Amino acid sequence: NAGVTQTPKFRILKIGQSMTLQCAQDMNHNYMYWYRQDPGMGLKLIYYSVGAGITDKGEVPNGYNVSRSTTEDFPLRLELAAPSQTSVYFCASSYPPGEGYEQYFGPGTRLTVT
Amino acid sequence: AQRVTQPEKLLSVFKGAPVELKCNYSYSGSPELFWYVQYSRQRLQLLLRHISRESIKGFTADLNKGETSFHLKKPFAQEEDSAMYYCALTGANSKLTFGKGITLSVRP
Repeated sequence: NAGVTQTPKFRILKIGQSMTLQCAQDMNHNYMYWYRQDPGMGLKLIYYSVGAGITDKGEVPNGYNVSRSTTEDFPLRLELAAPSQTSVYFCASSYPPGEGYEQYFGPGTRLTVT
Repeated sequence: AQRVTQPEKLLSVFKGAPVELKCNYSYSGSPELFWYVQYSRQRLQLLLRHISRESIKGFTADLNKGETSFHLKKPFAQEEDSAMYYCALTGANSKLTFGKGITLSVRP
């Protein structure tokens, strides 16, 4: 049981480049999330999904896109990378919130845009 | 809107000293509150949740609805407690809102 996995672990992008951050979970969780973690700012929700084919914006969605074609995978797409997107990105998954269920986090992807 | 406030960014204590990490929240309904911890070079993980009323690694947290607080406490800090701690809240919109986090440093 691998839990939540993310690839790559590190990436350096030039301004204007695009990339996809991969996230997968093997716990059959319907809910999946993408967060960014900036120093001193905590975690901000970018996008989330309540099941395959259903996604919704979080607090800071601008500059990102997501898709959820399967229960297991929830990739995050950066189309035109900007320095403001330099951050650590965490993917998470859970059973439906509201019953005390915890979120399980991936190891993170450290992205630098220069 | 739901909000979580962790008023301090850093707490530094000596080993064996008591620890209290403050968390206040703003939410009009009945929230579910959590403490998550991130040890160095590790992923974020759940430490405890208020619904379980449990003690994990010597830490406890009591939900005080009157003061809208969920402070994390430990009577005797250990060096291995050094980490980043996040308070988080789930409200009716099913989204988890995090505080900005606090770094706990336990010195030998």
